[in-house]
Amino acid sequence: ELKVEQNPLFLSMQEGKNYTIYCNYSTTSDRLYWYRQDPGKSLESLFVLLSNGAVKQEGRLMASLDTKARLSTLHITAAVHDLSATYFCAVDIGGSQGNLIFGKGTKLSVKP
Amino acid sequence: ETGVTQTPRHLVMGMTNKKSLKCEQHLGHNAMYWYKQSAKKPLELMFVYNFKEQTENNSVPSRFSPECPNSSHLFLHLHTLQPEDSALYLCASSQGLYAGELFFGEGSRLTVL
Repeated sequence: ELKVEQNPLFLSMQEGKNYTIYCNYSTTSDRLYWYRQDPGKSLESLFVLLSNGAVKQEGRLMASLDTKARLSTLHITAAVHDLSATYFCAVDIGGSQGNLIFGKGTKLSVKP
Repeated sequence: ETGVTQTPRHLVMGMTNKKSLKCEQHLGHNAMYWYKQSAKKPLELMFVYNFKEQTENNSVPSRFSPECPNSSHLFLHLHTLQPEDSALYLCASSQGLYAGELFFGEGSRLTVL
């Protein structure tokens, strides 16, 4: 069965701290996406990772992809309140069945 | 208008009603998708259209009926829904079919009484 597992599912952290969200998947894929969703809002594309070893950074967020380990990480550096949202990883399996399989999301809350 | 727009943003309907959700994309994309987002569950792909032709129906009950008159517009017709169909319905588009990055609308929050 195809699985995309994120952990943790809930994360409460203090401003200024660092933390990593993990996304494990069970099928072969070399393309993975990270999305952010604010409450009541749509999903916003954050990172597109298209090959093994890909690393992308935007502000306080950095995403990486290890296709051999079937693992992607989203690292948060010196968190600020504005980063509070739900973060989804999505694995591109290509072909039919729809191209993206989403994880359940990690709800991040950054407290002062 | 830019991006992907969905209307209505909120909808409350009875189990015997018929309503429709509308999605319009202004990105020049060729593929459009309907996703269902329920509490505590991953996003579920419902339908996929490429150049207005349906390419995927992910075992969705017939009470959901999609329509894609052209590459820019996508509808989801709803009839005789059940309370468990209450969810956020998200429309998305991509440059090509299964071309990776999806661009999402803000969703239609549906409540079935």
